Amino acid sequence: EAQVTQNPRYLITVTGKKLTVTCSQNMNHEYMSWYRQDPGLGLRQIYYSMNVEVTDKGDVPEGYKVSRKEKRNFPLILESPSPNQTSLYFCASSRKSGSSGANVLTFGAGSRLTVL
Amino acid sequence: GQQLNQSPQSMFIQEGEDVSMNCTSSSIFNTWLWYKQDPGEGPVLLIALYKAGELTSNGRLTAQFGITRKDSFLNISASIPSDVGIYFCAGRPGGSQGNLIFGKGTKLSVKP
Repeated sequence: EAQVTQNPRYLITVTGKKLTVTCSQNMNHEYMSWYRQDPGLGLRQIYYSMNVEVTDKGDVPEGYKVSRKEKRNFPLILESPSPNQTSLYFCASSRKSGSSGANVLTFGAGSRLTVL
Repeated sequence: GQQLNQSPQSMFIQEGEDVSMNCTSSSIFNTWLWYKQDPGEGPVLLIALYKAGELTSNGRLTAQFGITRKDSFLNISASIPSDVGIYFCAGRPGGSQGNLIFGKGTKLSVKP
């Protein structure tokens, strides 16, 4: 089954304790992206990647890092989490621009993170 | 950054009623997408639109790519309880190779 898999689905942590949210897709998609969803603010893009070793900032990148060493994986790293990073996080992927199906993002099921 | 205005923010309707929601932008878009997010899940694509004036249906859902290319509409006919969720529009600005821009969502509640 074609899917985007995120882990963990739920996590409670404390301020300053580094954590990584993994994201993996099995559709051979070039494009991957991370979003956070907060009440009243919709989906805001954190970072995205057009292909392996190519990453760029989205609208709210502060406090986050990403890497794209392999095509299928796009982990989100919080080096020193703070309470304002408590949110619902989504990873998504799609084919590259210009190809059939480009822009049609497939989303993971979400990771709910609480930072105390 | 560029924004989409999605309205209404929320809707409370009776089962069986029709629903309409829309998104507008200040600039031209060349792609419009509509997603639905069920509680506790990630957004799932409902309908994709690629041409101005395009009207596409998916079961009881119908979406249109506005003729001005600055708006899109989603209609749901004869709503049922499982239509509950958050509906997002998303679009890609014309001439851009950039990322999708999302509306803030319309939260739909259906009373049986």
